[in-house]
Amino acid sequence: ETGVTQTPRHLVMGMTNKKSLKCEQHLGHNAMYWYKQSAKKPLELMFVYSLEERVENNSVPSRFSPECPNSSHLFLHLHTLQPEDSALYLCASSPGTGISGANVLTFGAGSRLTVL
Amino acid sequence: GESVGLHLPTLSVQEGDNSIINCAYSNSASDYFIWYKQESGKGPQFIIDIRSNMDKRQGQRVTVLLNKTVKHLSLQIAATQPGDSAVYFCAEYSGGGADGLTFGKGTHLIIQP
Repeated sequence: ETGVTQTPRHLVMGMTNKKSLKCEQHLGHNAMYWYKQSAKKPLELMFVYSLEERVENNSVPSRFSPECPNSSHLFLHLHTLQPEDSALYLCASSPGTGISGANVLTFGAGSRLTVL
Repeated sequence: GESVGLHLPTLSVQEGDNSIINCAYSNSASDYFIWYKQESGKGPQFIIDIRSNMDKRQGQRVTVLLNKTVKHLSLQIAATQPGDSAVYFCAEYSGGGADGLTFGKGTHLIIQP
């Protein structure tokens, strides 16, 4: 395993459901990230947390709500999603942000989300 | 906006042959580049990186070439093995944002027996 664990690995939800994705890192890193990976599109950065403080929110719709209770855990709360939100959601961590973290960005295996 | 892209979505090679995967970038301010490998059912994994003050960097069976004149990056994999089958994508670092990385779409490398 990479040291970054994501659960669940697969999730199917209706548009009115509320669910959460969980990420845990065992690497002692200070920064955690949520990325969206859609078919045939590049990775899209959604949120960045550094030392449990959100430092970036890339114009993500409010139906996605991140939470970082401590430096080892990151959640993505989902509510009233749309079918186009179906994608692989990847969590990552790094020692720090910027170039000091770019070369040691460690990804989890992802949570495959399907919105019906 | 500026973007990082790949020339081919799928590349099929014979086991044992060498593979070359290409990437074009458009941000001339980018000073650091990374290649990732993503196997089916897994997250992206770092393969090799290169800074803009270098033209070539070698790893174990992999070589990255950087041509800043034409803003082109390539990943060469020598003597491909079945375990090399994956999606490969490049990323450029331009310093913007908390992570500063812009990712390409990816090339699916298929190894034929």
